[in-house]
Amino acid sequence: DQQVKQNSPSLSVQEGRISILNCDYTNSMFDYFLWYKKYPAEGPTFLISISSIKDKNEDGRFTVFLNKSAKHLSLHIVPSQPGDSAVYFCAASEEVGANNLFFGTGTRLTVIP
Amino acid sequence: KAGVTQTPRYLIKTRGQQVTLSCSPISGHRSVSWYQQTPGQGLQFLFEYFSETQRNKGNFPGRFSGRQFSNSRSEMNVSTLELGDSALYLCASLQSNTGELFFGEGSRLTVL
Repeated sequence: DQQVKQNSPSLSVQEGRISILNCDYTNSMFDYFLWYKKYPAEGPTFLISISSIKDKNEDGRFTVFLNKSAKHLSLHIVPSQPGDSAVYFCAASEEVGANNLFFGTGTRLTVIP
Repeated sequence: KAGVTQTPRYLIKTRGQQVTLSCSPISGHRSVSWYQQTPGQGLQFLFEYFSETQRNKGNFPGRFSGRQFSNSRSEMNVSTLELGDSALYLCASLQSNTGELFFGEGSRLTVL
């Protein structure tokens, strides 16, 4: 049973435009949410996180929005760059610092130059 | 500082065999977790070790086991391999003060 879902397996965006990656979850106990980026032949790398007490967290070109009532979060990348092309995983846990994250199946983002 | 190191990077086994994968966490990190990545399933949590003790376990059969040594290095073992065990196995160590997981590059297992 997939508790974290990324329903779009792929997304293509023109360079300079906004990329919006979506994630839904089912477990209301989740309190901390993260996005990881993965390039081929590399392990996932941490991108940005948000705790449930916030509805937005921003880091440079990356912003994560959290809608707890809808159990939905999204990652916005503005402006998108070709180097952003990767697989993005949404993850959730019941507390900050938990090592047993629940991951989505990933969305492959392609930024077209 | 050195990142999370996993060995071997690639290996091929046949059904019924067993395999041991190794992970060295970032120096100073005491918590190590293992994940299985397969197409269409994303990353699935296997187990987590802290100070040589398993703290959490995912929903995998008993054929999947692990351990952690006093130097925080960890191994995972899969016995009686099945075709469906073909996957990328990722190890991650936890920076406890930030909650950030640092992943290794993974060990890609192919079961024939």
